[in-house]
Amino acid sequence: DVQVTQSPSFLSASVGDKVIIACRASRAISNYLVWYQQKPGKAPKLLISAASTLQSGVPSRFSGSGSGTEFTLTISSLQPEDSATYYCQQFASSPLTFGGGTKVEIK
Amino acid sequence: DVQLVQSGAEVKKPGESLRISCKGSGYSFTTYWVAWVRQMPGKGLDLMGIIYPGDSDTRYSPSFRGQVTISADKSTSTAFLQWDSLKASDTAVYYCARRAFNYEYFDSWGQGTLVAFSS
Repeated sequence: DVQVTQSPSFLSASVGDKVIIACRASRAISNYLVWYQQKPGKAPKLLISAASTLQSGVPSRFSGSGSGTEFTLTISSLQPEDSATYYCQQFASSPLTFGGGTKVEIK
Repeated sequence: DVQLVQSGAEVKKPGESLRISCKGSGYSFTTYWVAWVRQMPGKGLDLMGIIYPGDSDTRYSPSFRGQVTISADKSTSTAFLQWDSLKASDTAVYYCARRAFNYEYFDSWGQGTLVAFSS
C-alpha cells in the first residue's frame, strides 16, 4: 500500500500569512495526488486535482505543487474562511489512501 | 448541479442492523462510481468501499470487507451502506462521494450521516 504522510498535523497562523502543508508518499506516485478541504461539521471539498490543478471556484490563493513523493499545498495569504482541516489523497494505486490531515487554525 | 443527499442521523444500539442511503441527482448516476468514506470522531478519512451503480460492481477496502455491505438501486439513483450487526466502534460520520470520471478521487460529496449509539 502507498502510505501518505502529512505535515504538520496542526498549524496556527495569522491572516495574511503564507501557509505550506506537505504530503509525502511512501513511493513515487507521479502527480496522482489531490487535496481536500474539510470545515468543521461539513463534508470534504475537492480543492486541487492532479497535484496542481485548481478546481473551479477555488480561490487562487490556493495552489498545489510536487511530483513523485513530495507534494505541497500552499495558501498564499491565509484568510479567516480557510480555517479547516486539509487532507491529501493518493490515487496512483489501490487501496486509495488519505493523509492524516492538517488542521489550520487562525491566530 | 451534482448533488448527493444522504439519509439522516441514526441512534442505534449495538447488535442492531442499519442501512443508510445516498441519493444522487444532477448527473448520470449509473456511469460514476460512488464510494463510502468513514470518519470516526476527531479522526481522518477511511475509504470503505466503492460501487459502480451501472452493474453493481463493488470493491471493498480490506479493513471493511465482511463488515458492511454496499449496494445501489439504479431505479432510484440511490446507493446504500448496510450493517447486519452494529458495534459501538461503528460510531462515525459516514460520507458518500462520487468518484471523478476516469480518475480515482472524489469530486462531489454527500453531507454525511452520523451513526451514534445509545446505551
